[in-house]
Amino acid sequence: EVQLLESGGGLVQPGGSLRLSCATSGFTFSNYALSWVRQAPGKGLEWVSTFTGVSANIYYADSVKGRFTVSRDNSRATLYLQMNSLKGDDTAVYYCAKLLTSGYGTSYFESWGQGTLVTVSS
Amino acid sequence: DIQMTQSPSSVSASIGDKVTITCRASQGISGWLGWYQQKPGKAPKLLIRDASTLQSGVPSRFSGSGSGTDFTLTINNLQPEDFATYYCQQPTGLTLAFGQGTKVEV
Repeated sequence: EVQLLESGGGLVQPGGSLRLSCATSGFTFSNYALSWVRQAPGKGLEWVSTFTGVSANIYYADSVKGRFTVSRDNSRATLYLQMNSLKGDDTAVYYCAKLLTSGYGTSYFESWGQGTLVTVSS
Repeated sequence: DIQMTQSPSSVSASIGDKVTITCRASQGISGWLGWYQQKPGKAPKLLIRDASTLQSGVPSRFSGSGSGTDFTLTINNLQPEDFATYYCQQPTGLTLAFGQGTKVEV
C-alpha cells in the first residue's frame, strides 16, 4: 500500500524558513516522480513543485521559484521542501503526492498524503 | 502556461440528480485531463484520468468526456457521498495546473 506522510508544518514569521518532509512507503521511491501541492484556507489546489523519478529533474511554480527548493533522499524514501523567505500568501496545507506518469508526458496526482499546515504570520 | 477554468463554481443538487461540471483549457490539451474529488479536511482523490478513464474503485456513475479545450465531468444518480468539491487538472508539460474547483452542495 502506498503511503505518504508529511511533517514539518507550523507557525513561522514572514521572512522565515521551514522545511517540510514527506516520508513514503509501499513503492520504489527512486523510480517515481513526486510533487508538492498546496491549498490555502478555503481556496483551491495549487501545484508547487515536481521532482521527477529516474531523471531527477525539478520544476517549480512561478509563485515559489527562487524561494522554495525541493530535494529527495532515496535512502530514506523521503521528499523535502525547503521554504525560505516565506510570505503570508504561502499559508496553506501542503500535500505531498505521488505522480502517475506516462510515455505521453502526462502527470496525474495518483496518491496523496494527509497534508501539513504551514501558517505564515507575525 | 496553460490555465484551467471550471464552471460553475458551485452547484446545488439533490440525491438522484445528474450533475455536469465543465472545464476549459486555455489551449488544446488533446484528450489529457484529470478530475479529482475533495471532501472537507481530506486530501483530493483522483477519479478520472485521460479525460474519460475511471480510476480503479471509482463508481460508474462518474464519467468524463471531452478533448482539445473543453471537458465535462458528469455524475449520474448523485449519492450522499458525492457532495464534495471537484477539480480538473491539466497533466501536460512541465507545469501542472488545476481549475478553481466546483462545489457540489445540497
